[in-house]
Amino acid sequence: SQQGEEDPQALSIQEGENATMNCSYKTSINNLQWYRQNSGRGLVHLILIRSNEREKHSGRLRVTLDTSKKSSSLLITASRAADTASYFCAPLRSSNTGKLIFGQGTTLQVKP
Amino acid sequence: DAGVTQSPTHLIKTRGQHVTLRCSPISGHKSVSWYQQVLGQGPQFIFQYYEKEERGRGNFPDRFSARQFPNYSSELNVNALLLGDSALYLCASSLVVSVAGELFFGEGSRLTVL
Repeated sequence: SQQGEEDPQALSIQEGENATMNCSYKTSINNLQWYRQNSGRGLVHLILIRSNEREKHSGRLRVTLDTSKKSSSLLITASRAADTASYFCAPLRSSNTGKLIFGQGTTLQVKP
Repeated sequence: DAGVTQSPTHLIKTRGQHVTLRCSPISGHKSVSWYQQVLGQGPQFIFQYYEKEERGRGNFPDRFSARQFPNYSSELNVNALLLGDSALYLCASSLVVSVAGELFFGEGSRLTVL
């Protein structure tokens, strides 16, 4: 299955702490994307990492990809209350972004 | 620039009725995808249309149908509504299908079936 499985399902931290969430998948991939969803809203793209990349940064976000273990991690440093949201990974076998398959996500709560 | 727009934002229907949801992609985007998100779950892929042709269909019954118009906007139709169709329906657009890139989502249409 192309679907990613996020772990943990829920995470609660204090503002200023780092948050790490993981994604595992079962097939070979072309790229893997991470999205954020605030409650009841649309998803927002965070970062795309290609299968030949091992690490990527975007602001306070750091994403790693280990294709040998079929896993990825998303690290949010110095978290803020505004980071409270659900986070989804989407591993993709092709370049066709339109057919993303999402898991249940990780729900992150950042307490002020 | 306008993002992906969806209408209506909220609607209430009764079982057995029909619903049409509409989506306008970002200007220049030729691919439109539809997702269903039931409360507490991740979005589930329903359809993708590219250049007015269906490019993919998820595991949904034939009660679900969609189409894409020459201006790349799209409609999702659901017939014979069931209680289980209550969900947030998300539309997303992307520029092309041949190059990996981000998917841009609208804010969704919240459907409640009574």
